[in-house]
Amino acid sequence: QKEVEQNSGPLSVPEGAIASLNCTYSDRGSQSFFWYRQYSGKSPELIMSIYSNGDKEDGRFTAQLNKASQYVSLLIRDSQPSDSATYLCAVNARGNTPLVFGKGTRLSVIA
Amino acid sequence: ETGVTQSPTHLIKTRGQQVTLRCSSQSGHNTVSWYQQALGQGPQFIFQYYREEENGRGNFPPRFSGLQFPNYSSELNVNALELDDSALYLCASSLRLAEASGLFFGEGSRLTVL
Repeated sequence: QKEVEQNSGPLSVPEGAIASLNCTYSDRGSQSFFWYRQYSGKSPELIMSIYSNGDKEDGRFTAQLNKASQYVSLLIRDSQPSDSATYLCAVNARGNTPLVFGKGTRLSVIA
Repeated sequence: ETGVTQSPTHLIKTRGQQVTLRCSSQSGHNTVSWYQQALGQGPQFIFQYYREEENGRGNFPPRFSGLQFPNYSSELNVNALELDDSALYLCASSLRLAEASGLFFGEGSRLTVL
């Protein structure tokens, strides 16, 4: 059973701080890793993808991947109240297999 | 804006009834994937359709069925609704193998079963 684990939170950070969201996965053969943001009552929105070990930066977001530790993280710099949402980690084992999602971490950015 | 549209956006059914949810694919996409997201959970894969054929199925009973039409739009049908079927149903269209690049979901259909 392929699993993706996330701390459900809530994770509360003050405005302007760095929010760190973590995810572990069980399938060592996983190849593609994604972070989705989901506002309350809305559908998930793809915000980051990462495929190789190391860091990938996009604006205030940095995704980090460590395949040896089976660990993915998302850092949000200069957190804003508008970043308050649930963040879902998703993993794809190989090309034509479905995404496996974690349960998500709820982030609250306090003004 | 993903180019994927779903209907209806909200609906309420009673236990035992049947429901049909619809998804219009982004132009040029030949694959549709359906996911179920219960409250407080991550999306769970239901099935995928590629060129009108089922191309993979998750751990859902046969009362969950689907169709894909020649224009690549799709339907999800659920028979004999149960209370636990209450969830947000998400559709994503893509080119085949695009799961490796991530999926872009429509706005979802929120089903409440009473």
